[in-house]
Amino acid sequence: NAGVTQTPKFRVLKTGQSMTLLCAQDMNHEYMYWYRQDPGMGLRLIHYSVGEGTTAKGEVPDGYNVSRLKKQNFLLGLESAAPSQTSVYFCASRRYPDRGRNTQYFGPGTRLTVL
Amino acid sequence: GESVGLHLPTLSVQEGDNSIINCAYSNSASDYFIWYKQESGKGPQFIIDIRSNMDKRQGQRVTVLLNKTVKHLSLQIAATQPGDSAVYFCAENGGGGADGLTFGKGTHLIIQP
Repeated sequence: NAGVTQTPKFRVLKTGQSMTLLCAQDMNHEYMYWYRQDPGMGLRLIHYSVGEGTTAKGEVPDGYNVSRLKKQNFLLGLESAAPSQTSVYFCASRRYPDRGRNTQYFGPGTRLTVL
Repeated sequence: GESVGLHLPTLSVQEGDNSIINCAYSNSASDYFIWYKQESGKGPQFIIDIRSNMDKRQGQRVTVLLNKTVKHLSLQIAATQPGDSAVYFCAENGGGGADGLTFGKGTHLIIQP
């Protein structure tokens, strides 16, 4: 049981390039999330999904797109990377319903640098 | 606006002592709070959670206290060990939808030998 995994672990892009971050979970969780973490700050929600085929915007969605074609995978795309998107990206998943709790399980993160 | 924040960015404690990490929140309607531990280079790891209908919840070596009157919660770690060195975040159900979490900025806990 690997939990939540993310690929790649590190990536360097040039401004304007595109890339896709992959998140996979093997816990059969319904909900999945993408967050970003900037230095000295807490995580901020980019997009989320409440089930296969559904996605929605979070707090900071601009410049990102997502897809959830399979229940276990949640992809985060950057169509035209900008230096402001330099950050560490975390994926999380959660079972739902969960008796009023919101225990999210996080992956190890992807460190992205945009030059 | 709604926010979750921490009083101190860094906390240094002696090994074996108890640690107390504080967190203030501004949304009086918040009904669920979580503490996460983040070690260097890793993702946040769930420690303990508490609902707003409780004042206290205990886990293994950790206790969370919630004071709704002053909108404050704390994480107490008993007999702090070197492995407790990490950044600790409090989080709450955010307003962004589908229970995305709103995180505070974090407290860096440093264990002195």
